[in-house]
Amino acid sequence: AQSVTQLGSHVSVSEGALVLLRCNYSSSVPPYLFWYVQYPNQGLQLLLKYTSAATLVKGINGFEAEFKKSETSFHLTKPSAHMSDAAEYFCAVSSSGSARQLTFGSGTQLTVLP
Amino acid sequence: NAGVMQNPRHLVRRRGQEARLRCSPMKGHSHVYWYRQLPEEGLKFMVYLQKENIIDESGMPKERFSAEFPKEGPSILRIQQVVRGDSAAYFCASSPRPSGRGSQETQYFGPGTRLLVL
Repeated sequence: AQSVTQLGSHVSVSEGALVLLRCNYSSSVPPYLFWYVQYPNQGLQLLLKYTSAATLVKGINGFEAEFKKSETSFHLTKPSAHMSDAAEYFCAVSSSGSARQLTFGSGTQLTVLP
Repeated sequence: NAGVMQNPRHLVRRRGQEARLRCSPMKGHSHVYWYRQLPEEGLKFMVYLQKENIIDESGMPKERFSAEFPKEGPSILRIQQVVRGDSAAYFCASSPRPSGRGSQETQYFGPGTRLLVL
């Protein structure tokens, strides 16, 4: 069984400030981890993914995430927020093995204040 | 290279009618996944298909819902006798054939179909 918990359904930051979106996972086997972004009335766009290579993963738009096995975490960060980063962010897990479905967290709505 | 296509983008149905949602995967992708997003919630897995084959339907409601991915044409998610609780955004994702046992290829999502049941 696998699950994802995203702490904080809403996060607000000022433009130029650090963005930190939290994700903790549960998986009985080594996981694959993903961050997706969803803009209003659109589909999900992949930001980055962890597939057991480097623990620090760099994605698009300046985002990165660090896999910490001891903490079962995969938090998403960006050093300096931009107005265009305002969106909903979803963390997802898939376990290595035959099951390929993604299990999503409930999402974090990011607001960027001018 | 066109992305995952879904149509219609918006669909309005009255209770008891049928809803048909279509998904064309990215070129070269042979695996399709359907997810449902209820208001204010994350996406929930429904079904995973390959051409002419349902691989995993563990997330599908037992009644009224069915999915197919024929040899030719798009994948179809069909909801019979819709009820108000079916109102949601339905997303399709596709991925290429897994490169090996246990591998996880990236899933690419379409723009979704927003179903409203009156």
